[in-house]
Amino acid sequence: DTEVTQTPKHLVMGMTNKKSLKCEQHMGHRAMYWYKQKAKKPPELMFVYSYEKLSINESVPSRFSPECPNSSLLNLHLHALQPEDSALYLCASAQDGELFFGEGSRLTVL
Amino acid sequence: GESVGLHLPTLSVQEGDNSIINCAYSNSASDYFIWYKQESGKGPQFIIDIRSNMDKRQGQRVTVLLNKTVKHLSLQIAATQPGDSAVYFCAHNAGNMLTFGGGTRLMVKP
Repeated sequence: DTEVTQTPKHLVMGMTNKKSLKCEQHMGHRAMYWYKQKAKKPPELMFVYSYEKLSINESVPSRFSPECPNSSLLNLHLHALQPEDSALYLCASAQDGELFFGEGSRLTVL
Repeated sequence: GESVGLHLPTLSVQEGDNSIINCAYSNSASDYFIWYKQESGKGPQFIIDIRSNMDKRQGQRVTVLLNKTVKHLSLQIAATQPGDSAVYFCAHNAGNMLTFGGGTRLMVKP
């Protein structure tokens, strides 16, 4: 299994909603990532988890809350988002320098 | 800090021709670069990587060249096919941390 699986593929939410994005990998990778990608732009790093501990937070607003329940799962909890947070959210896992990306969750905030 | 940039935002080539996508970088303490392909609605997909102890690496129909003197790398795609149409990103990898360049959209004309 060389896949990173993200759910849901599409999510529409209001600014007062609470929702979560989920990511799963079964490759035994111990580093997992959240990236945000706006249209026609490169992915931008948000968070890095290493061995289930948050190691990097790229000054992401607190309305985004990551969680790593175990070595295979990574969540991104969303609360009180703004329309400008609409983007493709990509999860990735890594081992020995190679990152594997999921297909992304396309988020629209109304 | 590290910055990765591309020379051309869009490249249009005839099917069967060779494609060359360029990338410049600056201030890299470690020269490990990866090329990713991102098709519409999908996550970035690993194509090929190159480390600082090499100046050329070949894969299936793809070649990456690294010129450390002028801090430049390129991705060459031989006999470009319609399925190669996508956005291509160069990325610098430092300890499982990826920094992406701006991206080049490759359009293949039949």
